[in-house]
Amino acid sequence: AQSVSQHNHHVILSEAASLELGCNYSYGGTVNLFWYVQYPGQHLQLLLKYFSGDPLVKGIKGFEAEFIKSKFSFNLRKPSVQWSDTAEYFCAVIPGAGSYQLTFGKGTKLSVIP
Amino acid sequence: SQTIHQWPATLVQPVGSPLSLECTVEGTSNPNLYWYRQAAGRGLQLLFYSVGIGQISSEVPQNLSASRPQDRQFILSSKKLLLSDSGFYLCASRLAGAGTDTQYFGPGTRLTVL
Repeated sequence: AQSVSQHNHHVILSEAASLELGCNYSYGGTVNLFWYVQYPGQHLQLLLKYFSGDPLVKGIKGFEAEFIKSKFSFNLRKPSVQWSDTAEYFCAVIPGAGSYQLTFGKGTKLSVIP
Repeated sequence: SQTIHQWPATLVQPVGSPLSLECTVEGTSNPNLYWYRQAAGRGLQLLFYSVGIGQISSEVPQNLSASRPQDRQFILSSKKLLLSDSGFYLCASRLAGAGTDTQYFGPGTRLTVL
């Protein structure tokens, strides 16, 4: 069964610092990759997704993620974080076409200090 | 675009009592529907998914069950709650068909079993 690893449980940054959240998955075939974000008290929302094509994916609110197939990674980045980025971030993988099962990582809590 | 409703938003139940959580989806037809449980520091655990009315797949053996009586209605139930059933339950919907692997989430139900 596939698994998703998020390396950091809790990341604390000052405003304007750069962000990179790690995500690695274990599945050898074609994958679709997602980052979801959950702001305090809000729904889980889709931040960005990768299905195919350009491995550098841009999402909402200035976030981007890079799919590196050889490293089985899909790290999330933002060059300059804001206090409003404080949230929990989840990486998720769905293997191949026709699969129904989205596997989530355990999440990384990001706290941005003003 | 689709909208996912979950009811109730919060629930406190005694051990041994029954449970019924409801999820309804608007703005789409024939979606794939999912129940997840989110526990702090443990990410999202897929509990059940359904590809159509009356079709339920269970991912985790437990004392919970799911039913899909209508195309856009998904219900999570238990006959007797355990303390370990406490958690945040999320319903998700995925549009069926090629290129639509993205799951969208409802607002969730926070269940506390005492």
